Order: sequence, then structure tokens, then C-alpha cells
Amino acid sequence: DQQVKQNSPSLSVQEGRISILNCDYTNSMFDYFLWYKKYPAEGPTFLISISSIKDKNEDGRFTVFLNKSAKHLSLHIVPSQPGDSAVYFCAVNTDKLIFGTGTRLQVFP
Amino acid sequence: DSGVTQTPKHLITATGQRVTLRCSPRSGDLSVYWYQQSLDQGLQFLIHYYNGEERAKGNILERFSAQQFPDLHSELNLSSLELGDSALYFCASSVDVRDRAFGYTFGSGTRLTVV
Repeated sequence: DQQVKQNSPSLSVQEGRISILNCDYTNSMFDYFLWYKKYPAEGPTFLISISSIKDKNEDGRFTVFLNKSAKHLSLHIVPSQPGDSAVYFCAVNTDKLIFGTGTRLQVFP
Repeated sequence: DSGVTQTPKHLITATGQRVTLRCSPRSGDLSVYWYQQSLDQGLQFLIHYYNGEERAKGNILERFSAQQFPDLHSELNLSSLELGDSALYFCASSVDVRDRAFGYTFGSGTRLTVV
């Protein structure tokens, strides 16, 4: 059973606008959540994380929001740039990283 | 360059064969993790080694095995290969299993094609 779900396989956003990527999880005991970005022919790279004691964490253009009651997190990218086009994975960190299936973001001019 | 080195980058082999994938972790990292990414799938955890000892197993087939050597590099052995084993195999490393806010550093992967 999928413990981390990204229900949108793809997202297309115009340059300069906001990109919102969503992620749902099943276990309320999860306490560390991470976002990774992956370009073709490269491994995933760490973007930003949040612990369950917070509801928001910000790093430059990237902000992650955590809604524990809904077991939902989202990644906001503002403003979106063409270089942000990649596959984004959310993950929970237990004794290992458990990944969602990813959302392919395309930022067009 | 993430500091995690995986070789080879590409591998094409026939069904029934055996291959070995190699990973050198980032300098100073004691943990090595192996993940498999099949077409249109997320990354599936296979196995975790910490300082030479197996720490956790995921959905790793019995035909697959791994080890971490005293110099901390790791090898993933895949045997009796089937067409369905074609995938990207990623290695990742981390310095401290307790630092769960940061996660792991991934290599660029080995693309295995079984024909």
C-alpha cells in the first residue's frame, strides 16, 4: 500500500507564476517530510524539509506547508522558472526515505 | 557532482545473467542505501548498510544481495536477471542516520537494461 501519494503525475505552469505540488501520506506518526528534485539522467537532489512540529518552512523561492490534520503537505515555488522543470518527489523519513511516485513539473515561457 | 559515485552508468545484459553495481559514498558518510526506480514508478527502497552492517531491508528480491566493505563502498549484486529487473538503480549515502531532516545524497544511478 502506498504510504506517500502524489496524485498529480504532471503539472504545467507559466514562468513567473506559482507552482503548487501536493503530497498526501497515510501515517500520522510520520514526523519528517522532504522534497527532492530530479532532472533526467541525474539522481534526486534534496530541496527542503519540514518536521511535524512546524507547519511551514521557507527557503528562497521554495516553501513547504504541512497540514497534519489532513496528512497533507505541499511545495510552493514562487516565482516559477524554466530551470525548475523537473520531477519532484515528496518523501517521509522514517528509518529510510519512503518516496511518492513524483510529479513532473514543466515551466513554460 | 554529488560526491556519491556509481558505476557503471549503463549496463545491458541478457536474462539469466548476474551483474554487480558499485557505489562509493560521499566522503565521511557511513550509511549507504540502495533504491530501484522502474519506469513511471517512484523510488523503491531496497536495503540500507551502516558502517558495514545491514540495517534495514525493503522490497529486495532474494535474487538480489548487497554488502558494504571496510572502505565503505557498497556493491549490489543482481542475479538470475529477468526483463522486469530493468530499472534505474540509485545509491545514496548519509553521515548520520539520526539526521532525518536532511535525508540522503544520491548518486546519478546505474541504468540496467535486461534483454
